[in-house]
Amino acid sequence: AQSVAQPEDQVNVAEGNPLTVKCTYSVSGNPYLFWYVQYPNRGLQFLLKYITGDNLVKGSYGFEAEFNKSQTSFHLKKPSALVSDSALYFCAVRDGRDDKLIFGTGTRLQVFP
Amino acid sequence: GAVVSQHPSRVICKSGTSVKIECRSLDFQATTMFWYRQFPKQSLMLMATSNEGSKATYEQGVEKDKFLINHASLTLSTLTVTSAHPEDSSFYICSARVLRQGEQYFGPGTRLTVT
Repeated sequence: AQSVAQPEDQVNVAEGNPLTVKCTYSVSGNPYLFWYVQYPNRGLQFLLKYITGDNLVKGSYGFEAEFNKSQTSFHLKKPSALVSDSALYFCAVRDGRDDKLIFGTGTRLQVFP
Repeated sequence: GAVVSQHPSRVICKSGTSVKIECRSLDFQATTMFWYRQFPKQSLMLMATSNEGSKATYEQGVEKDKFLINHASLTLSTLTVTSAHPEDSSFYICSARVLRQGEQYFGPGTRLTVT
């Protein structure tokens, strides 16, 4: 069965420092991996995706993610965090043979000034 | 970019009544729409998948007679919560997609409160 794990409920980082939000996945077949961000009482906004190709994917708002097949991970990163990055981040996976998007439990990112 | 709207953004209804939530793709035609439910501080749970012109496919544990989904056109899907109860109070989010391998675009969500 497909699954996504986000081991951290919350990540705290000081503004200007690099941030990492972790995600590991389990799928049968080729994984399609996504990161979304959610602000309070809002829907999800797409950040980036990995389908195939380069393992380092660059996305919106300066975020990037690294696909690591051996570790089945797809961690979200940003070199320098902003207070405005504070939000709820979801990792998601879609099996290439299935059209359902399965979400992780979410990680709340808090960036302190 | 592709925009998905939901209406209403917030709704309060009395227990036992029904409420309809609309999801529209504003600048593209969505062959598939998805309905999710999100409890406070929890992830999104897929409720059902609907393809235009056909019946929705519900996830295990989701009552299809309670959560009626209609996808009558390529730009509109509706979710009707029938005979609502307080435990149906939640944040409902729709999502739309053009192609099977394509990206999903999410609506802003609807907060339902059943009193």
